[in-house]
Amino acid sequence: AQSVAQPEDQVNVAEGNPLTVKCTYSVSGNPYLFWYVQYPNRGLQFLLKYITGDNLVKGSYGFEAEFNKSQTSFHLKKPSALVSDSALYFCAVSTATTDKLIFGTGTRLQVFP
Amino acid sequence: GAVVSQHPSWVICKSGTSVKIECRSLDFQATTMFWYRQFPKQSLMLMATSNEGSKATYEQGVEKDKFLINHASLTLSTLTVTSAHPEDSSFYICSAAGLAGADTQYFGPGTRLTVL
Repeated sequence: AQSVAQPEDQVNVAEGNPLTVKCTYSVSGNPYLFWYVQYPNRGLQFLLKYITGDNLVKGSYGFEAEFNKSQTSFHLKKPSALVSDSALYFCAVSTATTDKLIFGTGTRLQVFP
Repeated sequence: GAVVSQHPSWVICKSGTSVKIECRSLDFQATTMFWYRQFPKQSLMLMATSNEGSKATYEQGVEKDKFLINHASLTLSTLTVTSAHPEDSSFYICSAAGLAGADTQYFGPGTRLTVL
């Protein structure tokens, strides 16, 4: 069965510092990996995805993520955090054989000025 | 591009009444739409998957007679919560995946349902 783990409920980082939000996954077959961001009382906004190709994926708002097959990870990163990046971040996985997305439990990112 | 809207954004209703939530893909044709439920401070739980013109596929534990889903066109899906009760109060979010880039779901802004 597919699963996604986001080991940190919350990540705190100072504005201007680099940030990392961790995600590991478990699937049968090749994973399709996604990151979404959710602001309070809003739906999810698509940030980036990995389907195939270059392991480093660049997305919206300066975010990027690196697919690491050996570690089954897809950590979200940003070189310099902004206060406006504070939100809830979800990692999700699907595969070529299913269109269902399995979500992690979410990580709340708090960027302090 | 890839904008999904939901209406209403919030609704309050009395116990026993039915509520309809609309999900529209505004600038693309959505072959598949998904309905999720999100409890406070929790992740999204997939309720059902619907393809245009066919019956929805419900996840285990989701009552299909209580949560009626209709996907009448490539741009519109509706979720009707029938005979709503306070325990149905939640944040309902839809998503849509299109003909191109069908591997990516685009989400609506969500509908907050409160049943009194």
